[in-house]
Amino acid sequence: GAGVSQTPSNKVTEKGKYVELRCDPISGHTALYWYRQSLGQGPEFLIYFQGTGAADDSGLPNDRFFAVRPEGSVSTLKIQRTERGDSAVYLCASSPKPRGGGTNEKLFFGSGTQLSVL
Amino acid sequence: AQKITQTQPGMFVQEKEAVTLDCTYDTSDQSYGLFWYKQPSSGEMIFLIYQGSYDEQNATEGRYSLNFQKARKSANLVISASQLGDSAMYFCAMREAVIIQGAQKLVFGQGTRLTINP
Repeated sequence: GAGVSQTPSNKVTEKGKYVELRCDPISGHTALYWYRQSLGQGPEFLIYFQGTGAADDSGLPNDRFFAVRPEGSVSTLKIQRTERGDSAVYLCASSPKPRGGGTNEKLFFGSGTQLSVL
Repeated sequence: AQKITQTQPGMFVQEKEAVTLDCTYDTSDQSYGLFWYKQPSSGEMIFLIYQGSYDEQNATEGRYSLNFQKARKSANLVISASQLGDSAMYFCAMREAVIIQGAQKLVFGQGTRLTINP
């Protein structure tokens, strides 16, 4: 399809395990975002990529969380030593390069990965 | 710090009626952007409408309009002629001050669950 694709849609893991969540953005979109949505809450910003580099990772909660986007397209969010508090829906979004320096480009979100840490 | 407040956890409306979803925000920035996103049960966030802080006219997108009252720091979403397919979670969001060009680092409210009754 033409939208943002996230895999897996559901991931169940045990406390202490390592997980990887994948995001395929819309083709040609240079900006990629990861957000985390806990139950009953709005999404919270984690990290933003412009191209291959992480331009803003200020939302990552601690050093167990890491994300990469080596070729400027697909991104992987990696969580080490998972904790029960990491359980949430992890949303990926992409957007095209802003025109004329504007910043009102809408984000195109995927359906998210529901992570459950037992 | 920027904050978004949505005081209505749930709203119930009859089909074809208009509905207003409330959103207030707090920021010390002069330049900011306000967004509304819809999240159906599928989980993806769908962009509805955008209002820039310097826009003098209220934004409109089809059946959606944003009632922007800058002095009151409110950005309510109005949906006219509601449809059954409008049933979903609705999130108000603010774009934080731009530090990196193109960054759409959004702060979301807790959302309002809208149910349209036939």
